[in-house]
Amino acid sequence: SAVISQKPSRDICQRGTSLTIQCQVDSQVTMMFWYRQQPGQSLTLIATANQGSEATYESGFVIDKFPISRPNLTFSTLTVSNMSPEDSSIYLCSVGENNGHYGYTFGSGTRLTVV
Amino acid sequence: AQKITQTQPGMFVQEKEAVTLDCTYDTSDQSYGLFWYKQPSSGEMIFLIYQGSYDEQNATEGRYSLNFQKARKSANLVISASQLGDSAMYFCAMREGGTGGSYIPTFGRGTSLIVHP
Repeated sequence: SAVISQKPSRDICQRGTSLTIQCQVDSQVTMMFWYRQQPGQSLTLIATANQGSEATYESGFVIDKFPISRPNLTFSTLTVSNMSPEDSSIYLCSVGENNGHYGYTFGSGTRLTVV
Repeated sequence: AQKITQTQPGMFVQEKEAVTLDCTYDTSDQSYGLFWYKQPSSGEMIFLIYQGSYDEQNATEGRYSLNFQKARKSANLVISASQLGDSAMYFCAMREGGTGGSYIPTFGRGTSLIVHP
């Protein structure tokens, strides 16, 4: 299965600033997903990022707040803009791939604290 | 209605004993996939096991097995011979539809497992 390098692993940021999270995949994948996981909660899908097209955002998430880039089939970034303490979460990227069955591999996550 | 239900917010098990984590799902699709992931305190999501809706046998991966009861729409994870390193959050997830279906998985709320020495 694909191996995903996600950076940074953690960060502490001042409110009002922005943070860009990167995910690099060791193989070409069509579908990439970005999730937010608030403390003690399950995963919430932010958007689906397909190469060559605009990201598709889920209800409650907007491009101005969470701009996503997907320049090629192995790389994507998620920016958390104008951060507030409510943005403190784990952010995870994930890829979908077919290895006998269609499944999902995750990056190691970015633990973001906004102060 | 929730598509994935995990009714156990927390579970405790003694080291070396077996534990079952419950998961029920709701779908009208005939083709779907069920997954279990482990999330330790480090935050990464580790894939454990997969069960396809057409698979006739329960999936097994080492100490992990999936008790798949299709008629009851349940997909419980069984961990045998628990180890201290099994202490983590466990998430059940489902992908609905076959080829051409949605590729977006749905996750349950998770179960926190603590293994006691």
